[in-house]
Amino acid sequence: GENVEQHPSTLSVQEGDSAVIKCTYSDSASNYFPWYKQELGKRPQLIIDIRSNVGEKKDQRIAVTLNKTAKHFSLHITETQPEDSAVYFCAAISSGATNKLIFGTGTLLAVQP
Amino acid sequence: DTAVSQTPKYLVTQMGNDKSIKCEQNLGHDTMYWYKQDSKKFLKIMFSYNNKELIINETVPNRFSPKSPDKAHLNLHINSLELGDSAVYFCASSQVEGTGELFFGEGSRLTVL
Repeated sequence: GENVEQHPSTLSVQEGDSAVIKCTYSDSASNYFPWYKQELGKRPQLIIDIRSNVGEKKDQRIAVTLNKTAKHFSLHITETQPEDSAVYFCAAISSGATNKLIFGTGTLLAVQP
Repeated sequence: DTAVSQTPKYLVTQMGNDKSIKCEQNLGHDTMYWYKQDSKKFLKIMFSYNNKELIINETVPNRFSPKSPDKAHLNLHINSLELGDSAVYFCASSQVEGTGELFFGEGSRLTVL
């Protein structure tokens, strides 16, 4: 089955700096890679996703890159703001009889004003 | 007009008791899920249902029994509660099984004393 590893577990940056979170996956058949943001005490919410037929996707200050050969994908946040502080989860779909979304272990991002 | 709603938001109970969490979605989605988030923030899938049919049962103890009376509802009943069951339980739904955006409920924080 799919295994998703996520690094770092915590990340502290100064406001205005960039933040990068990296994930690796094990199942080469995985084809869908979403990123969720969970603010303290709130529900996880999708912020961006990428499918295996593209290598990069951007939405304003956030971007995701995918390297299928190396089986890793990354979230890039530029010009970070205090409201970006949250736990970020990567995920990958597990192929097989059931489509199962497997989450990474999460990264706590703290943006210092 | 909440998309995915679950009740109750907080549950505090004694070991050995039985409790239920209810979930309803008004998005017209076919697939619903239960996820468990433990104290380390790990998000683990427990069950998924597609149009009232059980699709994923992620080796959860049989003390946990999901029930889907219709595709808009997925309830979770837990028997003989144990200390290790303490967690936040999130209900979610998606239009497409696996590869679509997950819409999470607000979560139900269960504390077993």
